[in-house]
Amino acid sequence: SQKIEQNSEALNIQEGKTATLTCNYTNYSPAYLQWYRQDPGRGPVFLLLIRENEKEKRKERLKVTFDTTLKQSLFHITASQPADSATYLCALDARDTGNQFYFGTGTSLTVIP
Amino acid sequence: SQTIHQWPATLVQPVGSPLSLECTVEGTSNPNLYWYRQAAGRGLQLLFYSVGIGQISSEVPQNLSASRPQDRQFILSSKKLLLSDSGFYLCAWRIFYGYTFGSGTRLTVV
Repeated sequence: SQKIEQNSEALNIQEGKTATLTCNYTNYSPAYLQWYRQDPGRGPVFLLLIRENEKEKRKERLKVTFDTTLKQSLFHITASQPADSATYLCALDARDTGNQFYFGTGTSLTVIP
Repeated sequence: SQTIHQWPATLVQPVGSPLSLECTVEGTSNPNLYWYRQAAGRGLQLLFYSVGIGQISSEVPQNLSASRPQDRQFILSSKKLLLSDSGFYLCAWRIFYGYTFGSGTRLTVV
């Protein structure tokens, strides 16, 4: 069956360090992969999209990589700040149905001052 | 500007009572609209999506239904709530690169 896995454990890092979050998937051939940020009690907020033919995408302190051979995306936050503390979700388009994205369960990140 | 509104923010309902959650979007026409549910520690589960007025697709058989009476309005309903319907309900609007989500409704069925 189709599956999307993110770091199940919460991630705690020191302020100023780089946070790296992992998204692995099986039995998908996504055209797009996205990352969202979700704060407690709020809806997810779109951060970045990367296409299957792109290896890397950057936006300010964020960097996403996409390896379709490994079926993995890495999400990096450089020079992390306490305000970056949140849950981060990855999502894949369902190329076969064309109408929805499938989400991972998310990784909780805490940046310690 | 394009915005999505969802209400109420919080709801506590007894088992067996009806439910109606509303979602509206502004600043666009003919949007693709979605209802997701997020249970504690779980990923987002797609419940319904709609590509136009009166067009509803259900992804998961359950105690819920959806309707799209107007182009920019999407409603999630239940005739009789179950305890298992508790969760965080999110309305979303699909744009090319992803979703814009509403602020969510925390539903607790007691």
